[in-house]
Amino acid sequence: AQKVTQAQTEISVVEKEDVTLDCVYETRDTTYYLFWYKQPPSGELVFLIRRNSFDEQNEISGRYSWNFQKSTSSFNFTITASQVVDSAVYFCALSEASTDSWGKLQFGAGTQVVVTP
Amino acid sequence: DTGVSQDPRHKITKRGQNVTFRCDPISEHNRLYWYRQTLGQGPEFLTYFQNEAQLEKSRLLSDRFSAERPKGSFSTLEIQRTEQGDSAMYLCASSGAGAWSQYFGPGTRLLVL
Repeated sequence: AQKVTQAQTEISVVEKEDVTLDCVYETRDTTYYLFWYKQPPSGELVFLIRRNSFDEQNEISGRYSWNFQKSTSSFNFTITASQVVDSAVYFCALSEASTDSWGKLQFGAGTQVVVTP
Repeated sequence: DTGVSQDPRHKITKRGQNVTFRCDPISEHNRLYWYRQTLGQGPEFLTYFQNEAQLEKSRLLSDRFSAERPKGSFSTLEIQRTEQGDSAMYLCASSGAGAWSQYFGPGTRLLVL
């Protein structure tokens, strides 16, 4: 069963618009970590953020912000005032703390963000 | 501090040939992971090492795949008798002891003709 769902396949915006990427996850573990990675056309996965299951504080880093809500099993990502350089595929991932899967990342299918000038 | 490096970056081979990829993790990272990513999909976990010990293998890793990490430093992933379905990007990542964040290399893109 898919543990991480990114329902949006592609989002197209015009530069300076805000864009929100949805991520819904599924786990029975009480301890887990959630991640967002960016994959630009060059192909390398760039780490953006990690949150643990006990920390529901939202986080802002420059134009990026993340909204973690355990009640809805969601970890959404917003890019404010998008720029052309934000064009990439963004992946949400889950890592569960249970012994047999420690550290393994389970990725969603990704959301392609296209920012046009 | 250099990042994760992978070699080669691209590999084209004919069906039935063997290929080997190398990954050099961030120095002092004791965990090393291999993932496979096909077009339009997220990466899928293949296997991981803690130091030189291979602790988990996905069922995606058929008998034709083998991975090693001698001396707990670099790792190699070998695919024997390649098939067209093996065409994908092979990604390597590493993380430090007790750390949950994995840092990825640039990947090796394999095309099997």
